[in-house]
Amino acid sequence: KNQVEQSPQSLIILEGKNCTLQCNYTVSPFSNLRWYKQDTGRGPVSLTIMTFSENTKSNGRYTATLDADTKQSSLHITASQLSDSASYICVVSATRNNDMRFGAGTRLTVKP
Amino acid sequence: NAGVTQTPKFQVLKTGQSMTLQCAQDMNHNSMYWYRQDPGMGLRLIYYSASEGTTDKGEVPNGYNVSRLNKREFSLRLESAAPSQTSVYFCASRPTSSYNEQFFGPGTRLTVL
Repeated sequence: KNQVEQSPQSLIILEGKNCTLQCNYTVSPFSNLRWYKQDTGRGPVSLTIMTFSENTKSNGRYTATLDADTKQSSLHITASQLSDSASYICVVSATRNNDMRFGAGTRLTVKP
Repeated sequence: NAGVTQTPKFQVLKTGQSMTLQCAQDMNHNSMYWYRQDPGMGLRLIYYSASEGTTDKGEVPNGYNVSRLNKREFSLRLESAAPSQTSVYFCASRPTSSYNEQFFGPGTRLTVL
């Protein structure tokens, strides 16, 4: 069983709408959680990082939350744009050996 | 800076053929990684190199070998390609700092017939 589970697997929304992507993890001991954006045919690019003591962090229209007690994170996208169409990948790092575990990603499509 | 570069971008092989995927970074990062990405699955680590001169196996190393040629370059070799190795391969590098941000290359799409 993957230690990082993302939902939904795919999502279609209309331009201008908001959406929330979920990431649940079992990685332990927890170090940090990072959200990446991967455009089609490109490598992933980091959006934001959450450490144990952080609950919320924003990067423009992207807001990530972390609940370390329930081992859940979310990525909220506000006022979506066509350029937000991409896969969003949750990566959780353990303090032991800096082990990184990747979720399978959520494929977001924003339609005009 | 070009960041992380990979060659080739696309490759088709026949079963049993060999090839080397090239990766280079110009950010002076110590750590470099090779991943494969398959549909419906997360990126899986094949091999990594924490520093020049060292390499270690990741989650799925079977059928692959690597060489950390110098600080800039980290190559991945398939000695005898198999259809199960059809995938998109990503190279990444990471600076020696906490919080593990990796910088990824554009990927190599490999098809083994």
